[in-house]
Amino acid sequence: RKEVEQDPGPFNVPEGATVAFNCTYSNSASQSFFWYRQDCRKEPKLLMSVYSSGNEDGRFTAQLNRASQYISLLIRDSKLSDSATYLCVVNRGYSTLTFGKGTMLLVSP
Amino acid sequence: GAVVSQHPSWVICKSGTSVKIECRSLDFQATTMFWYRQFPKQSLMLMATSNEGSKATYEQGVEKDKFLINHASLTLSTLTVTSAHPEDSSFYICSAASSGRQYFGPGTRLTVT
Repeated sequence: RKEVEQDPGPFNVPEGATVAFNCTYSNSASQSFFWYRQDCRKEPKLLMSVYSSGNEDGRFTAQLNRASQYISLLIRDSKLSDSATYLCVVNRGYSTLTFGKGTMLLVSP
Repeated sequence: GAVVSQHPSWVICKSGTSVKIECRSLDFQATTMFWYRQFPKQSLMLMATSNEGSKATYEQGVEKDKFLINHASLTLSTLTVTSAHPEDSSFYICSAASSGRQYFGPGTRLTVT
């Protein structure tokens, strides 16, 4: 089983739609969790950290379920500029990050 | 703040030659830097963890003699791909750790012909 698994997509949605991405991780000892965004041929950029209590940043909401080892990201009111690949990232300790393959989102007019 | 640069941003080299990629933390000191590789449509794969003043720690399956890492100062780590082959063509990304976070460089696209 891969350490971090994501549906690769692509998810094709119209502007204004709500879209949700899911991610599972295999190492129950993982310490912290993140969603990164990566644009084509660019480096990944931190979108938000993910906490067990759930956290929201504008149109983005992240949730963590430690018991199920499951992480989610919800994007509301999608914008064209949200088109990118969203990477689920797990910190397995000592600042070492493990990246999922990413879920591609395409927002169309 | 927390800017990381990489040089070069892209490089084309012939098979059998060596290529050096630099990773610099511009406005902070980083005792730990990380080197990743990303093939098309694949995830970032950690290659090695570079610690200032000591030997790098390589991930399983990464040849330490082929991918030489030097972290001689708190703001600079270098990755040298020795005797490059076409299968080494990839996107190489470094990151620098600070205050529990990793800050990524813009990446270096290597093409080996």
